[in-house]
Amino acid sequence: NAGVTQTPKFRVLKTGQSMTLLCAQDMNHEYMYWYRQDPGMGLRLIHYSVGEGTTAKGEVPDGYNVSRLKKQNFLLGLESAAPSQTSVYFCASSLKGSTEAFFGQGTRLTVV
Amino acid sequence: GENVEQHPSTLSVQEGDSAVIKCTYSDSASNYFPWYKQELGKRPQLIIDIRSNVGEKKDQRIAVTLNKTAKHFSLHITETQPEDSAVYFCAALSSGNTPLVFGKGTRLSVIA
Repeated sequence: NAGVTQTPKFRVLKTGQSMTLLCAQDMNHEYMYWYRQDPGMGLRLIHYSVGEGTTAKGEVPDGYNVSRLKKQNFLLGLESAAPSQTSVYFCASSLKGSTEAFFGQGTRLTVV
Repeated sequence: GENVEQHPSTLSVQEGDSAVIKCTYSDSASNYFPWYKQELGKRPQLIIDIRSNVGEKKDQRIAVTLNKTAKHFSLHITETQPEDSAVYFCAALSSGNTPLVFGKGTRLSVIA
């Protein structure tokens, strides 16, 4: 039982490049989330999904897109990376909203 | 939407003393309040949670209290140990399909 796995763990991008972060969970959870963590800013929600095929915007969605084509996967895309998107990205999943959220190990992204 | 304020942002205590972290929330319909601990370089992990139908919950050296009237909840750690040093996040969940909203975190340092 791997829990929540994020790919990749580290990445350096040049401004304007695109990339996709993959989150996979093997707990049959309905809810999945993408957060970014910056110093002093806590965990800010980018996008989330309450089930396969559904997504919704969070607090800081601009510059990101997501897809939930399969229940176990939640993809976060950056179409044209900017230095302001340098951050640590965490994916999380939960059985439903009011249950424990399990986090992935994080992806450290640097945009130069 | 829900807004969660967390105080203090940093807290230093002597080993063996108690630590208290406080959070306030804005949505009176919120009914689930978890606390997460994030050690340096690690992912956030749930340490305790409370639902709106109870006022207090304990688990060994940690406890959480909830005051629905005042819309605030607190984390209490007694007999602190160096391994309690971490960043602690509170969160609140409104209802339905809304996601967890996190506070900005408290960096706790336990000085031996």
